[in-house]
Amino acid sequence: GQQVMQIPQYQHVQEGEDFTTYCNSSTTLSNIQWYKQRPGGHPVFLIQLVKSGEVKKQKRLTFQFGEAKKNSSLHITATQTTDVGTYFCAGPGGSQGNLIFGKGTKLSVKP
Amino acid sequence: DTAVSQTPKYLVTQMGNDKSIKCEQNLGHDTMYWYKQDSKKFLKIMFSYNNKELIINETVPNRFSPKSPDKAHLNLHINSLELGDSAVYFCASSVGQGLNSPLHFGNGTRLTVT
Repeated sequence: GQQVMQIPQYQHVQEGEDFTTYCNSSTTLSNIQWYKQRPGGHPVFLIQLVKSGEVKKQKRLTFQFGEAKKNSSLHITATQTTDVGTYFCAGPGGSQGNLIFGKGTKLSVKP
Repeated sequence: DTAVSQTPKYLVTQMGNDKSIKCEQNLGHDTMYWYKQDSKKFLKIMFSYNNKELIINETVPNRFSPKSPDKAHLNLHINSLELGDSAVYFCASSVGQGLNSPLHFGNGTRLTVT
């Protein structure tokens, strides 16, 4: 079945450093969604990318969708302690057409 | 105004017991879900209902039975709880069937089976 692979699993950065998490799918995705889950919290929707090669920005966060629509990335510039959490990508394509989540990248930021 | 609310927040129970988790959404969404998040943070869909009808039923033991009395509510009943059922269970909802619509998650129910 389709898989959504996400790397790295963990990332520890110093506050002010940049951070990137990558998402790869075994098949072409019609869209990709990104979520953030703070420690002890619930996943919160960040953004959806639909078009090939699409780039979207939200303040210090930059989201990209690959040209082949099989990969995506989330880049955070100059991390802050408020960026701490686990970032998930998700794409459609489960066995019953449901959303498949990557395993997430857990970001910790050292002040 | 909580958009997706689920109760209880914590549930500690013994093996063999039966328990229920309730979920309600006030967003007017048509589709609701139950997700299970294990200790490694992996989010896995269990069930999905669209307008009270079951549309996704992943490989889940039949000890888990969802029930949707109306499109704003989706409850989860678990029979004969096992240690491996310990996890955080998230309810979620979306406008469409979640493929192109963002999911709105509840705060989660942390289930601990002892």
